[in-house]
Amino acid sequence: DVKVTQSSRYLVKRTGEKVFLECVQDMDHENMFWYRQDPGLGLRLIYFSYDVKMKEKGDIPEGYSVSREKKERFSLILESASTNQTSMYLCASSRELAGDLNNEQFFGPGTRLTVL
Amino acid sequence: SQQGEEDPQALSIQEGENATMNCSYKTSINNLQWYRQNSGRGLVHLILIRSNEREKHSGRLRVTLDTSKKSSSLLITASRAADTASYFCATDARGNKLVFGAGTILRVKS
Repeated sequence: DVKVTQSSRYLVKRTGEKVFLECVQDMDHENMFWYRQDPGLGLRLIYFSYDVKMKEKGDIPEGYSVSREKKERFSLILESASTNQTSMYLCASSRELAGDLNNEQFFGPGTRLTVL
Repeated sequence: SQQGEEDPQALSIQEGENATMNCSYKTSINNLQWYRQNSGRGLVHLILIRSNEREKHSGRLRVTLDTSKKSSSLLITASRAADTASYFCATDARGNKLVFGAGTILRVKS
């Protein structure tokens, strides 16, 4: 089975701190994604990566950066955390991209981040 | 507004009843997917239906797609308490990015 793991289930940080969220997948997927989920807004794409060292902005990249040094690992970085970044963060991976034949995404359990 | 908007926002039914959720979208798609999310967890892929398919089944799930109306429905038959979750549709209407709706919250009462 595909497994996507995230480094923390719950995280509490202070405003201004640098925050790292780690995601690892074990199925050799090319594509990895970071979403945030807020009540009533569904999932919003922050960044995705279609290859090592390659990234593309999603819908809400402001205040975030990403790193993909190895195929299995995709990191989300909050350079200076703010209270409006309090949210559930979900990582996902897929073999193909949307629009291709087999583009189902496999999600990690999520990290609930609180910024005080 | 977002692609993949689910309706209703929330649904409460008795165990054993059927649950129907709908999804509408605005532009042409290659496929549409449905996902389930249990409270506080990640999403789990349920089913993918391609634009040239009209209906697809998986166990107690039945998905239909009407590209002329730009809508899809997810039917869960003989619901169980364990089906209590949020259900999301996702489309590839924006090229290589999946677009998720806000979801339908299903509560199955035992």
